[in-house]
Amino acid sequence: GIQVEQSPPDLILQEGANSTLRCNFSDSVNNLQWFHQNPWGQLINLFYIPSGTKQNGRLSATTVATERYSLLYISSSQTTDSGVYFCAVEPPGNQFYFGTGTSLTVIP
Amino acid sequence: GAVVSQHPSRVICKSGTSVKIECRSLDFQATTMFWYRQFPKKSLMLMATSNEGSKATYEQGVEKDKFLINHASLTLSTLTVTSAHPEDSSFYICSASAGETEAFFGQGTRLTVV
Repeated sequence: GIQVEQSPPDLILQEGANSTLRCNFSDSVNNLQWFHQNPWGQLINLFYIPSGTKQNGRLSATTVATERYSLLYISSSQTTDSGVYFCAVEPPGNQFYFGTGTSLTVIP
Repeated sequence: GAVVSQHPSRVICKSGTSVKIECRSLDFQATTMFWYRQFPKKSLMLMATSNEGSKATYEQGVEKDKFLINHASLTLSTLTVTSAHPEDSSFYICSASAGETEAFFGQGTRLTVV
């Protein structure tokens, strides 16, 4: 099956710093989404981005489907950005698979 | 975005009993629903994919008789953990999509088997 690797696995940032999270996948995909999982386990949908670039406030994401990766940018990080970030991909066949996750800690 | 409601959010059951978790798409017709399981500090693992009106497709290693999935309508899928044991304790999340489009996720269910 498809492999979805995220890097880095853990990241500690000072408040106000910028960061880039990466998602690599081993096969072609039809869809890709980025999520933030809060401390209660709930998945917050950040971006639906099968290709191209999108921005939403301090967050932006870019997917280069032909090169099989996606990037999530967090600018001016805040303590509320802490949590685990997942990418999930949908290869042909209509099934979503989650990446390994990046655990982000933003310290004041 | 669309809303997917998962119920209950938390359940404690005795070993040997069965537990049913519901996943509803509130404002769209979900032709496909997915069920995931998450262990502490781990990623979400796809358990099965269900299409309305047909049998679920289970991922390798997932026991079909242990985790019964029913997708009886375009707005409801259920996951029943049968004869639950402590090792079944986990966080379960459903998601729903209307075909090859964005998927929307439920709030998750934390199951504890004692």
